[in-house]
Amino acid sequence: QQQVKQSPQSLIVQKGGISIINCAYENTAFDYFPWYQQFPGKGPALLIAIRPDVSEKKEGRFTISFNKSAKQFSLHIMDSQPGDSATYFCAASKGNYGQNFVFGPGTRLSVLP
Amino acid sequence: GAGVSQSPSNKVTEKGKDVELRCDPISGHTALYWYRQSLGQGLEFLIYFQGNSAPDKSGLPSDRFSAERTGGSVSTLTIQRTQQEDSAVYLCASSLEIHGNQPQHFGDGTRLSIL
Repeated sequence: QQQVKQSPQSLIVQKGGISIINCAYENTAFDYFPWYQQFPGKGPALLIAIRPDVSEKKEGRFTISFNKSAKQFSLHIMDSQPGDSATYFCAASKGNYGQNFVFGPGTRLSVLP
Repeated sequence: GAGVSQSPSNKVTEKGKDVELRCDPISGHTALYWYRQSLGQGLEFLIYFQGNSAPDKSGLPSDRFSAERTGGSVSTLTIQRTQQEDSAVYLCASSLEIHGNQPQHFGDGTRLSIL
């Protein structure tokens, strides 16, 4: 019940296209859903996060869509750029951290020039 | 700098040796976390600290792994009698506090290679 599923495992998008990464969770107690971006040789960096009281959050070219009833959330990258090529992790947590902060397995995004 | 600092950035050691990995969290962050990331894989939670105490040690993969935090700041992850399967990137993160779903800020990790 603590698992967060993420798809696709890898994604190739042309420059200017839309990248979409999907995540699903089971534990309805989760109340914080961040996305992290990781470049090779670097640690993950917080990209954008959402709480379940809103259905969408947009920051620049990055948008999180959240469907509470379906227990799904997704990251949309508009006008994808080669510099967006990285691994993206979704995560979910509830209040306290520790084992309650769960990461998805990651999506490797490649944006072709 | 102002971010999470980890050292060493790379460590190569022989099987059976002990290793110590260090994490300097962001100043003022009371919560500190250790994760393990195998090549091309996701993040495996190891342990977290609230201040100097570690209420949840269930993520440590074996009794060869231990961690401590002193002065509410620097943390050390120790792996005794290293095995080849311990080869991975060990990531440290810190957050302002344990409650309230504060975002975690990661260091760039220590890449550990066991020969």
